[in-house]
Amino acid sequence: DAEITQSPRHKITETGRQVTLACHQTWNHNNMFWYRQDLGHGLRLIHYSYGVHDTNKGEVSDGYSVSRSNTEDLPLTLESAASSQTSVYFCASSERGNRGEQFFGPGTRLTVL
Amino acid sequence: RKEVEQDPGPFNVPEGATVAFNCTYSNSASQSFFWYRQDCRKEPKLLMSVYSSGNEDGRFTAQLNRASQYISLLIRDSKLSDSATYLCVVKRPGGYQKVTFGTGTKLQVIP
Repeated sequence: DAEITQSPRHKITETGRQVTLACHQTWNHNNMFWYRQDLGHGLRLIHYSYGVHDTNKGEVSDGYSVSRSNTEDLPLTLESAASSQTSVYFCASSERGNRGEQFFGPGTRLTVL
Repeated sequence: RKEVEQDPGPFNVPEGATVAFNCTYSNSASQSFFWYRQDCRKEPKLLMSVYSSGNEDGRFTAQLNRASQYISLLIRDSKLSDSATYLCVVKRPGGYQKVTFGTGTKLQVIP
């Protein structure tokens, strides 16, 4: 069955370190997304991609970067982790041109000390 | 005013009850609407899309009221397994950066 996986599922890091969160989907979807979810906020879009070599900034992109070298993967990098980036991160994907339905990965819980 | 607003709840209802949630949106140009379900510490999963004419999927009914700018979700004959947080999602015209998730309404179905 097609799926989206994220790794690691839990990560503890220190302020200032670079961290990369992996996202891999086997749906063969063109569109991929990274969100963060915090108490009191809905899911907020960090970055998204419409296809290979395409990346776009979302609502809360500062301090994050992504790259898309193939259809299956969209890794999220925190260049210099900050305590404000402690959150749960979800990767999602969707088919090209659909109405907005997205399929989510299981999430990565990141703690920055 | 927030783009998408939901009553956070919790809604505590007995098994078998009918419960309804509303979600209001601020942008009248919004064109696509969805309900997602999120279990504690899990990923959101699409429950149903919301169509202009309203739609039903088993015990779940979704409705759209464009004039008053809200969508609703009705759950009939509540089951314990319906306990979750229900997220309202609204998409404005344009790309995926125009998708806004609500903060969710928590439902607890009690035996």
